[in-house]
Amino acid sequence: AQTVTQSQPEMSVQEAETVTLSCTYDTSESDYYLFWYKQPPSRQMILVIRQEAYKQQNATENRFSVNFQKAAKSFSLKISDSQLGDAAMYFCAYKSQPGGGADGLTFGKGTHLIIQP
Amino acid sequence: GAVVSQHPSWVICKSGTSVKIECRSLDFQATTMFWYRQFPKQSLMLMATSNEGSKATYEQGVEKDKFLINHASLTLSTLTVTSAHPEDSSFYICSARVSPNTEAFFGQGTRLTVV
Repeated sequence: AQTVTQSQPEMSVQEAETVTLSCTYDTSESDYYLFWYKQPPSRQMILVIRQEAYKQQNATENRFSVNFQKAAKSFSLKISDSQLGDAAMYFCAYKSQPGGGADGLTFGKGTHLIIQP
Repeated sequence: GAVVSQHPSWVICKSGTSVKIECRSLDFQATTMFWYRQFPKQSLMLMATSNEGSKATYEQGVEKDKFLINHASLTLSTLTVTSAHPEDSSFYICSARVSPNTEAFFGQGTRLTVV
């Protein structure tokens, strides 16, 4: 079974600064998907960014980018120019390729991101 | 993105009663829906996967007789918590997708409190 580890229960960053959230995972599969989700106080899960394991290029979405290190099984999220609206819980998640292992998402325990004004 | 709606957003029920939670895909047909459970300040744990017209597949440790899942149409899945007890109090979240290669969209969640 796959596992996802987020070692930072809480992170704090000054508004407009850059912060990096860590995520490591364990799998024996070669093809899979990795995700970062944001869960604000409303509890609605919002997809931030997605990475296919077969792609070497790191995914980016505006101020959000990832550092995907497949050999190290590491998938960190960098948030640039942090904004007050970025404050939320951030979950790293793993999904097997279709036809592979479990069909749903395996989540890490989450990192609570605090933005200091 | 596509919209997934859960109803109710919150519910309080008495111990021993059953409660039904609905998950609807409003603007797409969802061949697969997932049910997750989230305890306070904890992660989401996959409970079960349901494919339209088929029996749900439950994760290890999830009681299928307690958490009844029905996915009778391409836009609706229901989770019924039977004979609820206070330990079933939690936040339940569904997600839905069109196909295995497409993104799964999340509902807004349902907070269940059993008293």
